[in-house]
Amino acid sequence: QSVLTQPPSVSAAPGQKVTISCSGSSSNIGNNYVYWYQQLPGTAPKLLIYENNKRPSGIPDRFSGSQSGTSVTLGITGLQTGDEADYYCETWDSSLSVVVFGGGTKLTVL
Amino acid sequence: EVQVVESGGGLVQPGGSLKLSCAASGFTFSGSGLHWVRQASGKGLEWVGLIEGKPKNYATGYSASVKGRFTMSRDDSKNTAYLQMNSLKTEDTAVYYCVTGVTTTGFDCWGQGTLVTVSS
Repeated sequence: QSVLTQPPSVSAAPGQKVTISCSGSSSNIGNNYVYWYQQLPGTAPKLLIYENNKRPSGIPDRFSGSQSGTSVTLGITGLQTGDEADYYCETWDSSLSVVVFGGGTKLTVL
Repeated sequence: EVQVVESGGGLVQPGGSLKLSCAASGFTFSGSGLHWVRQASGKGLEWVGLIEGKPKNYATGYSASVKGRFTMSRDDSKNTAYLQMNSLKTEDTAVYYCVTGVTTTGFDCWGQGTLVTVSS
């Protein structure tokens, strides 16, 4: 059971927008930066969002991150079939002194 | 090119040992913290632990599931980090990734992973 809670799956049609939530507590999301990763089938994860809402070089602005209290949200607009992947949130837990990942969310683009 | 490359995975019996390596290139290795993250087949990502770089005195940290069994080390002269895994259990079976942050504070550099299978 993950410290960070994500929905197991989300889906939307091509061109639409989808959001993926990640909820935690004051010991993790509430007081530490959150990161989002995309894992395409059969590949290593890739950093999508860092420090809650920043995009690394090369990540399109269709991907966005936001934070409110002890929850964060990943937004993806203009969905493409190539966005079908597993998405993970990640942060540091100050109470446990460990890095924690969400359980992952499988995005299906219908 | 910035990259990390894992090696050393394989099949090992329960209770056995295995040592993984992570060879880095393209960035200042001695100043960088190195993490290990694993993923069992069909499952999510699980953080294993980290070893900090020289500025943070090579401090280490481990997840509860591996503490006392796994040990991380590094040889900055070889730009290589290691994960010594002892007393292996079947539940340690996973792809093990070496990861670090080079241009951001996140894990922006991942290896291709190395598969560890613990089975009799």
